[in-house]
Amino acid sequence: GAVVSQHPSRVICKSGTSVKIECRSLDFQATTMFWYRQFPKQSLMLMATSNEGSKATYEQGVEKDKFLINHASLTLSTLTVTSAHPEDSSFYICSARGGQGESEQYFGPGTRLTVT
Amino acid sequence: GENVEQHPSTLSVQEGDSAVIKCTYSDSASNYFPWYKQELGKGPQLIIDIRSNVGEKKDQRIAVTLNKTAKHFSLHITETQPEDSAVYFCAASRTGGFKTIFGAGTRLFVKA
Repeated sequence: GAVVSQHPSRVICKSGTSVKIECRSLDFQATTMFWYRQFPKQSLMLMATSNEGSKATYEQGVEKDKFLINHASLTLSTLTVTSAHPEDSSFYICSARGGQGESEQYFGPGTRLTVT
Repeated sequence: GENVEQHPSTLSVQEGDSAVIKCTYSDSASNYFPWYKQELGKGPQLIIDIRSNVGEKKDQRIAVTLNKTAKHFSLHITETQPEDSAVYFCAASRTGGFKTIFGAGTRLFVKA
């Protein structure tokens, strides 16, 4: 149980285009989903937290107009990188947590974004 | 703000030996402490967790200990195998929708 999927696993796009990454909780309802960015050999950097049906809460320094997050259902959240630039190239990972009282957080397999 | 310190950053052991990774947290209200294993190019995988009402938890070759007074918790891997080689992250959080704070990670190498 507690499986989180991400799609696509890898994406290459041209500078100036937008890319959408999907995150799905496959066997549980995720009231909260998180989006992280990870640079090589570094820890996980939280970008934003989203609760189903409400606006995402972005961490300081993360541009909400650039990284659009939608949590439309209890099993799906999307991250759209708008007007991508080479510096947006990174490993993006989502995670999901069940009910408010639950602590366990499960991660997706990650999406490698390369902007050329 | 809340912080989790993790040591060592790199750990190299011989196959069959034990490995210990230590973390210290700053938020005394933290009550949930998960450990994640991340293999190259993959997302982190929850391998074991402990809650603040428990001092130790074991699952086959891995165990976690918690010292609430000192705000320390540790991951112990016994009889290490080459497939244990990965980056391990400790984390601390508290129930009620608070975000999880991650350590910087420990890169474990198990030499055959």
